[in-house]
Amino acid sequence: DAKTTQPPSMDCAEGRAANLPCNHSTISGNEYVYWYRQIHSQGPQYIIHGLKNNETNEMASLIITEDRKSSTLILPHATLRDTAVYYCIVRATDKLIFGTGTRLQVFP
Amino acid sequence: EAGVAQSPRYKIIEKRQSVAFWCNPISGHATLYWYQQILGQGPKLLIQFQNNGVVDDSQLPKDRFSAERLKGVDSTLKIQPAKLEDSAVYLCASSLDGRYTDTQYFGPGTRLTVL
Repeated sequence: DAKTTQPPSMDCAEGRAANLPCNHSTISGNEYVYWYRQIHSQGPQYIIHGLKNNETNEMASLIITEDRKSSTLILPHATLRDTAVYYCIVRATDKLIFGTGTRLQVFP
Repeated sequence: EAGVAQSPRYKIIEKRQSVAFWCNPISGHATLYWYQQILGQGPKLLIQFQNNGVVDDSQLPKDRFSAERLKGVDSTLKIQPAKLEDSAVYLCASSLDGRYTDTQYFGPGTRLTVL
């Protein structure tokens, strides 16, 4: 599976959009981009995934660049409960290989 | 729909003791995973079951760790004897049938402290 690069930490004001970047320059054509998050003292939670097209669900939007070398997870209106570690994972098998993620702190 | 259940939530033991963790996956999920998460790191896969058979245990330290999934439902992970470096959160996850587009659902984890 391709390696991902994420900033170690980010801040976001409550009510604003949180944009979390992920670089995956070695991604291959059959690899999906997955996002999970882990709130303190909980197990990881699935957020969204995509292959080529942008995706949106009730939790977030996923924007994948045309060359697929990077993506952005967007939380449109961040709340304090969105404070968590966000993991970007590139996946072509049934395995999830987690990096160290981005620690998002949402402040009032 | 009930989520993945794990017990206990916390466990403190002395080194060289043994410990066991239990996981009950989401009903109907054929694939079950055990992960180890050391503080400050992402989860690392230890073992993967498909029904009651092992699919991948390449990262499981087999000299001290063992896992089973009898009857293809519940699973237990055992450490015997424990070492200080085994202090971590042990996460169980399940998915419908293990395809790479399947969503994995995680339990709350068991936090193990080895003294």
